[in-house]
Amino acid sequence: GAVVSQHPSWVICKSGTSVKIECRSLDFQATTMFWYRQFPKQSLMLMATSNEGSKATYEQGVEKDKFLINHASLTLSTLTVTSAHPEDSSFYICRGGSSNEQFFGPGTRLTVL
Amino acid sequence: RKEVEQDPGPFNVPEGATVAFNCTYSNSASQSFFWYRQDCRKEPKLLMSVYSSGNEDGRFTAQLNRASQYISLLIRDSKLSDSATYLCAVNSLGSSASKIIFGSGTRLSIRP
Repeated sequence: GAVVSQHPSWVICKSGTSVKIECRSLDFQATTMFWYRQFPKQSLMLMATSNEGSKATYEQGVEKDKFLINHASLTLSTLTVTSAHPEDSSFYICRGGSSNEQFFGPGTRLTVL
Repeated sequence: RKEVEQDPGPFNVPEGATVAFNCTYSNSASQSFFWYRQDCRKEPKLLMSVYSSGNEDGRFTAQLNRASQYISLLIRDSKLSDSATYLCAVNSLGSSASKIIFGSGTRLSIRP
């Protein structure tokens, strides 16, 4: 079946640095990718919808200048957490697929010191 | 009001028991409903879609009640390996069918 890969699986960084998370579709063309964030013991919160070749659509309350999304090809969507702070520490996960079937990436655990 | 609401649990039941979860959704126009399972520090895995007529997959039965806007998941003869967090998900209003919103999840713990 379709697979979504995500890199890195975990990252620890200092406050103020930027972190890029990559999400790749391995055997399908992803015109759309969804980016979620999950804090400990909480649910997945949809952050934004990434659209290939056009601007991402952000959910209410999500800062587009803080969380930069790029979807330049049909197989790659990236989320960059700019100037990360400890409150950005979370589990970031992407989801993509066809209209019939969607798959999650394995997620990226970000810890900002 | 949240779009999708679940009892966070935890539910702690003995092996072999039957356990049921409910999930309510606020948007009456929602069309697609799902149950996911999430293990600790892992991505969610689709457990089953929920159809209007209800559907069953082995020990798992899902039901949809459109009038009351809730979906349910029943697990029979629970196994130790069923211990996980169960997330309900609903497609979001005015969006593609692929855009779904998750409930906060219900933690289930099966004890020997």
